[in-house]
Amino acid sequence: TQLLEQSPQFLSIQEGENLTVYCNSSSVFSSLQWYRQEPGEGPVLLVTVVTGGEVKKLKRLTFQFGDARKDSSLHITAAQPGDTGLYLCAGAANTGNQFYFGTGTSLTVIP
Amino acid sequence: GAGVSQSPSNKVTEKGKDVELRCDPISGHTALYWYRQSLGQGLEFLIYFQGNSAPDKSGLPSDRFSAERTGGSVSTLTIQRTQQEDSAVYLCASAGGARAQPQHFGDGTRLSIL
Repeated sequence: TQLLEQSPQFLSIQEGENLTVYCNSSSVFSSLQWYRQEPGEGPVLLVTVVTGGEVKKLKRLTFQFGDARKDSSLHITAAQPGDTGLYLCAGAANTGNQFYFGTGTSLTVIP
Repeated sequence: GAGVSQSPSNKVTEKGKDVELRCDPISGHTALYWYRQSLGQGLEFLIYFQGNSAPDKSGLPSDRFSAERTGGSVSTLTIQRTQQEDSAVYLCASAGGARAQPQHFGDGTRLSIL
């Protein structure tokens, strides 16, 4: 059972375009993290959101946690080739120690 | 180094052999996670260590998989009698402690079972 579904699975856009990646679940999470992973490397944390409705901005990246803490989105403004990578969301279970990772969104930004 | 270190970076072995993967976490981090990642996919939780507490083994896919963490630092993931479906990248992450703490990942071990 995949608790976190990400969409789209693949995304190829031109430099300068905007994009949004979605992370959806029917489960409630105590917190949610977004990571970016490049080939041959481990994921690197971008942000952690904890409060329902929370919005965090990191330069051109805007992260939102849904009011019910079941879903999240990542919006990138004016994408750059350096944004290319696999974007992963991860939800922390309300009980226990697990983080449930999403299915991933592979982003390619074409110069 | 300052980051999480995993070895070997690549491992190719024959079906039926045992393999041992190593993770050296960031010094002082009490939490340690093992994950498995198939090509271009999300991460599958395997096991979690927190300090001296009993590990959370709920993600281990079969009894062929086991993990230890000695002295609260280095961890080894062992896969016995490997199968072709075990082929994947095995990632280790460490964190400062509380569950909401950011996880710092190593670059993984790419395991290929022939």
